[in-house]
Amino acid sequence: DIVMTQSPDSLVASLGERATINCKSSRTILHSSYNKNSLAWYSQKPGQPPKLLIYWASTRQSGVPDRFSGSGSGTDFTLTIGGLQAEDVAVYYCQQYYSSPFTFGGGTKVEIK
Amino acid sequence: QVQLVQSGPEVKKPGASVKVSCKASGFPFNSYLIHWVRQAPGQGLEWMGWINVYNGNRDYVQKFQGRVTMTTDTSATTAYMELRSLRSDDTAVYYCARAGENCPDATCNWLDPWGQGTLVTVSS
Repeated sequence: DIVMTQSPDSLVASLGERATINCKSSRTILHSSYNKNSLAWYSQKPGQPPKLLIYWASTRQSGVPDRFSGSGSGTDFTLTIGGLQAEDVAVYYCQQYYSSPFTFGGGTKVEIK
Repeated sequence: QVQLVQSGPEVKKPGASVKVSCKASGFPFNSYLIHWVRQAPGQGLEWMGWINVYNGNRDYVQKFQGRVTMTTDTSATTAYMELRSLRSDDTAVYYCARAGENCPDATCNWLDPWGQGTLVTVSS
């Protein structure tokens, strides 16, 4: 199984500050046929289901604010929130969909200082 | 709009079974994979498996093999997840989610949208 490791477990940042979350896979998740990385990012607020933010590591889902961006390739990936807003308080998860089982990272809790 | 609506909360005793439903609307149900993910209280997300609505193919996480069955009723555009021999550590919110796109080689397995979740509580 591919193990997804997120860091940090939690982060506290000020409004307007940039927040960066890292996700590392135990082996490459680069899909050779598409030349794309099979990685998605989700946010989850308390009492709600997860919400898709990013897929193919860097493609923003329709309707997601452009302050959210994804980057990385191979085994190392980053979700950046450029200019933290109060509504961004949530737990963020990465997920690989390269090979079954489609594993999630452990989550990163983002709070406002 | 594209939507998945799940059945209500369940309370079960250890050893019992539970069947959670997931009603789809707003998209061609037969053309997508439906995934199931669970989340224990205060914990992260755990992927359980998927079912290909078109051909019935399934892929289950090994830890659930023999205890889980995923099915669909295409006439009702509804997916089901049955979990048997319930234990206290099966207490969780169970989500259904659709694969992001209908890709020919079933590689587009980001999850969107998600159902609202069904809390299954296993307690004696």
